[in-house]
Amino acid sequence: GAVVSQHPSRVICKSGTSVKIECRSLDFQATTMFWYRQFPKQSLMLMATSNEGSKATYEQGVEKDKFLINHASLTLSTLTVTSAHPEDSSFYICSASDTVGEKLFFGSGTQLSVL
Amino acid sequence: SQQGEEDPQALSIQEGENATMNCSYKTSINNLQWYRQNSGRGLVHLILIRSNEREKHSGRLRVTLDTSKKSSSLLITASRAADTASYFCATQETSGSRLTFGEGTQLTVNP
Repeated sequence: GAVVSQHPSRVICKSGTSVKIECRSLDFQATTMFWYRQFPKQSLMLMATSNEGSKATYEQGVEKDKFLINHASLTLSTLTVTSAHPEDSSFYICSASDTVGEKLFFGSGTQLSVL
Repeated sequence: SQQGEEDPQALSIQEGENATMNCSYKTSINNLQWYRQNSGRGLVHLILIRSNEREKHSGRLRVTLDTSKKSSSLLITASRAADTASYFCATQETSGSRLTFGEGTQLTVNP
């Protein structure tokens, strides 16, 4: 199956700093990647859809200036949490779809803790 | 918003028993998928069932879909301790559109 690599797996940062999370499709080209946020014992909440070469589409209520998404190549999408605050602490997961656009292949997630 | 509702929210069984999880949804769909998530990890795709299918098997997994009731079930037979994880259903309204995830069922299989 397709492999999606996500780094870092865990990051602890001070309030006010920015954190970048990378999501790479290792053995396929992902024209579309998705970024999710997940709180403990809850479901995934779609934050934005990242399309290669174009601006990301953000879900309602997600601040695009807070969560910067860049999809500069067919194998890499990045999520930057700018000026992070404790309420941004969460589990962030990226995913990419197969060529048909049905199944999703997920990264292993990034646990962000903002002190 | 999450359109999928899953029950039970949590299920605890003994190894060797079967586990059944249910998922309900609200809109018309192209397909319904089940994913598994181990604690602190990403999700892994398990099985996809299309709207014109009623049942599908994959190893110890059996998925049913009832579009008239807008519901699906996932059955794991002869469960193992390694099956302990959260299981999510996800619906896709049209091929290639966004997936909408349910709230998930936390399955614990006791050895």
